[in-house]
Amino acid sequence: ETGVTQSPTHLIKTRGQQVTLRCSSQSGHNTVSWYQQALGQGPQFIFQYYREEENGRGNFPPRFSGLQFPNYSSELNVNALELDDSALYLCASSLATSTYGYTFGSGTRLTVV
Amino acid sequence: QKEVEQDPGPLSVPEGAIVSLNCTYSNSAFQYFMWYRQYSRKGPELLMYTYSSGNKEDGRFTAQVDKSSKYISLFIRDSQPSDSATYLCAMISNFGNEKLTFGTGTRLTIIP
Repeated sequence: ETGVTQSPTHLIKTRGQQVTLRCSSQSGHNTVSWYQQALGQGPQFIFQYYREEENGRGNFPPRFSGLQFPNYSSELNVNALELDDSALYLCASSLATSTYGYTFGSGTRLTVV
Repeated sequence: QKEVEQDPGPLSVPEGAIVSLNCTYSNSAFQYFMWYRQYSRKGPELLMYTYSSGNKEDGRFTAQVDKSSKYISLFIRDSQPSDSATYLCAMISNFGNEKLTFGTGTRLTIIP
């Protein structure tokens, strides 16, 4: 299987709720990163996982957490949702030893009301 | 000041025109420079990738990097309506455990 797949594609949640977003990495890729893209902005780095361990984190609060599984799939969890969490959440996979770059999924559009 | 600055546009040009998209950056540690194309409601798609300074050409697309000026460009020749998208510049110091730092994106429309 090629490409990065994310689910769900769209999601509406209420402020204060919790959400889990899922990502299936491109075959053979052992590194996964999550980015948040607000409307009209470039993606902002949330965190990266390599071999199931967090391997770098951006300027996001602890209520943003993640997991990477042995099959390299990944989850992004956000607790206590705030209105400003409304954004497109992008998963990107890569091979740690590669310098070629990241393959992005189509994203999950989260709306918090 | 943002690490990467990119004019958000929007930019509208007639079909067949040459398009120039630019980014400036402040972090001299950046070594790898990328241009991503993002269609509406889709994830970014890698378009061009350049290491260090220099030019790289791929079909109608040319990427230029001037590390001395901390300035990168993407040129699109013979622009087509299918080129209408948001173009994001991105850069990274190394791929080991570093993040991609993106510009805000330039929204481009090619008018038939």
